[in-house]
Amino acid sequence: GNSVTQMEGPVTLSEEAFLTINCTYTATGYPSLFWYVQYPGEGLQLLLKATKADDKGSNKGFEATYRKETTSFHLEKGSVQVSDSAVYFCALSERTGANNLFFGTGTRLTVIP
Amino acid sequence: KAGVTQTPRYLIKTRGQQVTLSCSPISGHRSVSWYQQTPGQGLQFLFEYFSETQRNKGNFPGRFSGRQFSNSRSEMNVSTLELGDSALYLCASSSGSLGSGRTSYEQYFGPGTRLTVT
Repeated sequence: GNSVTQMEGPVTLSEEAFLTINCTYTATGYPSLFWYVQYPGEGLQLLLKATKADDKGSNKGFEATYRKETTSFHLEKGSVQVSDSAVYFCALSERTGANNLFFGTGTRLTVIP
Repeated sequence: KAGVTQTPRYLIKTRGQQVTLSCSPISGHRSVSWYQQTPGQGLQFLFEYFSETQRNKGNFPGRFSGRQFSNSRSEMNVSTLELGDSALYLCASSSGSLGSGRTSYEQYFGPGTRLTVT
C-alpha cells in the first residue's frame, strides 16, 4: 500500500536557523512526491514537488530531493523566517492512479524572532 | 485566474442531519478531489471526480457521496451526520487530463469548509 511517514513535531526554531523535516514513504510503483504547506486558517498550498528519482523540487528557499534508494523526500531550508511558521505536509500520488494524494500527519513549524 | 472556491466556509449541523458542500474548481480544471482533515486522522482522500464521473474513491462509508456537474463544479453530501464527521473538508482541483502522458498533476486546494456536528 501507499503511506507517508513524517516527523511529527512540533518544531520550534529561531529565525535564520536551518530546517529539516523528515519524510519517508512506502509506495507501489513510482510515485510523485509533494510538500504542501498550510498557514493558519487556510487551505493547502503546494510548496514543491518531484516526479522521479533524484529530482530536486525547490521553491521559496525550500528544497527536497526524491531519494528512491532511501524512499525519502526530506524538506530543508537554510534560513527560516517567522513567516515560514505553518504546518507542512509531505504527500505522494501513485504513478498509475488518479489524483488521490496520501498525506503524512503534518509537522507544525514555529519560527521565533 | 480565480482559485478554488468552497461554500459555505463554516457550517454547524445536528447529528442525524445531512449536509451538502460545494466546490468550484479553477477555470479549465476538470478534476475535483475531496479530502477530510481531522486532528485524529489527518488528511484523508474521499473521492475524485473527472468529467462528471467518479474516478477514484477512498475508504469512507456510503454516507459520503459526491457528484460533479458539466461545468466541473462539484458537491459532496454527507447523510445521517455523526459527531465524528466534524472536520475541515477540502476540495482540490487539477487539470487531470487523460492521455497527456503525465502521471501526476498539481492539485490546487480551496480554503475548506469547516463542518461542526453537534
